Amino acid sequence: DAGITQSPRHKVTETGTPVTLRCHQTENHRYMYWYRQDPGHGLRLIHYSYGVKDTDKGEVSDGYSVSRSKTEDFLLTLESATSSQTSVYFCAISRGTAGTEQFFGPGTRLTVL
Amino acid sequence: GENVEQHPSTLSVQEGDSAVIKCTYSDSASNYFPWYKQELGKGPQLIIDIRSNVGEKKDQRIAVTLNKTAKHFSLHITETQPEDSAVYFCAASLGTDSSYKLIFGSGTRLLVRP
Repeated sequence: DAGITQSPRHKVTETGTPVTLRCHQTENHRYMYWYRQDPGHGLRLIHYSYGVKDTDKGEVSDGYSVSRSKTEDFLLTLESATSSQTSVYFCAISRGTAGTEQFFGPGTRLTVL
Repeated sequence: GENVEQHPSTLSVQEGDSAVIKCTYSDSASNYFPWYKQELGKGPQLIIDIRSNVGEKKDQRIAVTLNKTAKHFSLHITETQPEDSAVYFCAASLGTDSSYKLIFGSGTRLLVRP
């Protein structure tokens, strides 16, 4: 499991509420990622981080923000959740060079009603 | 931008037979191609990867081949076993960045019949 934990593992929330998902790693890796997984779309990159306070957008970043104040923690925030953000969210770390050998956490299932 | 297409979407094989999953990519600058296996309710698991300077890589019953000219790569599983049943994803790196951002295919559901 590459020392990755995600919390919460399941969450149900209402449209318009803020939501924060947490990814925690124990191996001190520089690169961390947030993906969402939806049927028929595989995994799509939301945001990633290449160091403390260093983040960048992925292919589906609208409506999401991230923060990384410590190497071990990468937070994903939905400022005002919408039903289109109902999904399974995966955090990943890179054990290889600059994003190669990505290993994934167990996921967070988010339902926005 | 990069686009990765994966075929077939479902694949059913008899135990002991081989399974092949194919992916094509659009960005000729892509240079890193991992494959993931995902079991129900779990996160994707990296099973093998290949760099663009290598044409083939093997790890026991799993092999990946890469054809850069045609921009396609394939996963080969030999002597399939029921525990190989899962969803498999290919991915390709975006080649324009110094860090590897992955674009994933839409997945292949493999069923190995006992």
